[in-house]
Amino acid sequence: QKEVEQDPGPLSVPEGAIVSLNCTYSNSAFQYFMWYRQYSRKGPELLMYTYSSGNKEDGRFTAQVDKSSKYISLFIRDSQPSDSATYLCAAVSGGYNKLIFGAGTRLAVHP
Amino acid sequence: DAGVTQSPTHLIKTRGQHVTLRCSPISGHKSVSWYQQVLGQGPQFIFQYYEKEERGRGNFPDRFSARQFPNYSSELNVNALLLGDSALYLCASSLGQGPSSGNTIYFGEGSWLTVV
Repeated sequence: QKEVEQDPGPLSVPEGAIVSLNCTYSNSAFQYFMWYRQYSRKGPELLMYTYSSGNKEDGRFTAQVDKSSKYISLFIRDSQPSDSATYLCAAVSGGYNKLIFGAGTRLAVHP
Repeated sequence: DAGVTQSPTHLIKTRGQHVTLRCSPISGHKSVSWYQQVLGQGPQFIFQYYEKEERGRGNFPDRFSARQFPNYSSELNVNALLLGDSALYLCASSLGQGPSSGNTIYFGEGSWLTVV
């Protein structure tokens, strides 16, 4: 079993839709969780960085962490064609910056 | 301010050769990590260096090595290249060694390595 599981999609939605992206994890020691966006043939771009359980909002993006169920989510409101990319969830624990990534979910937002 | 910079951006090598990839972290950042991303998968952790010392190592063979220089830039070396080493190699930069609320991790655009 992988430490971080993520449905690879692809996920296709119309412009303006609310998008829900999800990951599960198995390691209870994970405390910090990130969402990265990766455009084709580019490096990952940090979207959200959350600690422990709870919600964090930044513009059209909301990240949720539920440590009791080991479930992390990213919601995108009013999705735009420019949001079309691969979204990577990641978790980190321990004393150094070892990120454990999910496989990434490919999102396509069509006009 | 410049972000994380990596070089070269693309390169093609032959099986058995050696490759050196370079990374300059964000100014003021002292931690550099290396990741390998195979097409269709998430990045896999290779190494972390902080203050010029190795602080973490992933599950990669000894053909992979790295170092960090006094100016905090870093090199990743891969010896005896295999076809399976073809991937995007990503460098990540952060201020400190470990996770904390202020220690966000930023990635460069990566170096695309093709082994033929």
